[in-house]
Amino acid sequence: EPEVTQTPSHQVTQMGQEVILRCVPISNHLYFYWYRQILGQKVEFLVSFYNNEISEKSEIFDDQFSVERPDGSNFTLKIRSTKLEDSAMYFCASSAARDSNYGYTFGSGTRLTVV
Amino acid sequence: KNEVEQSPQNLTAQEGEFITINCSYSVGISALHWLQQHPGGGIVSLFMLSSGKKKHGRLIATINIQEKHSSLHITASHPRDSAVYICAVRGWVGGNQFYFGTGTSLTVIP
Repeated sequence: EPEVTQTPSHQVTQMGQEVILRCVPISNHLYFYWYRQILGQKVEFLVSFYNNEISEKSEIFDDQFSVERPDGSNFTLKIRSTKLEDSAMYFCASSAARDSNYGYTFGSGTRLTVV
Repeated sequence: KNEVEQSPQNLTAQEGEFITINCSYSVGISALHWLQQHPGGGIVSLFMLSSGKKKHGRLIATINIQEKHSSLHITASHPRDSAVYICAVRGWVGGNQFYFGTGTSLTVIP
């Protein structure tokens, strides 16, 4: 069964450093998403991406965040200058259509720890 | 912003029991998503629906748009169903942002 692959599975970074979280969505999917989950809290939507541009972003997704699809297969989330409160699990997801019977396919997540 | 409430927060069941998890939301929606989060943290999408009922294996999801309520049912529950079940809703038709509930933690005892 096709999978969404995220790397790395765990990243530790110093406050103020830039991090790039990588995702390889399912190859024929057109819609891509990033979510985050701070430990013990709800999942939160960050951004959706379609047709090579951001289609929607949440209030969390400020100027410190950016997304890219640099080569037609990878989908990356960059955090420019990490803060302690960016520590969370980050999930990438993809879907073939905006409304899909079974929803989206999620990656297994990247645990980001900012120290 | 849509407020999403799930009940119960925690649920323990005996293997074989029929399980119902409820989700209520405050504002009209264009889609509702049920997800399963495994103890290791991984998320699996179960259903996306905007009306009526969907069934997949032992899982059934229903939604009542007028009452702003959805239920997820698990028939013949099994210990491998133990997970957190999360409801998420999307507001306007053109949007992509889902608002998530805090989840219902289900434990099925053999």
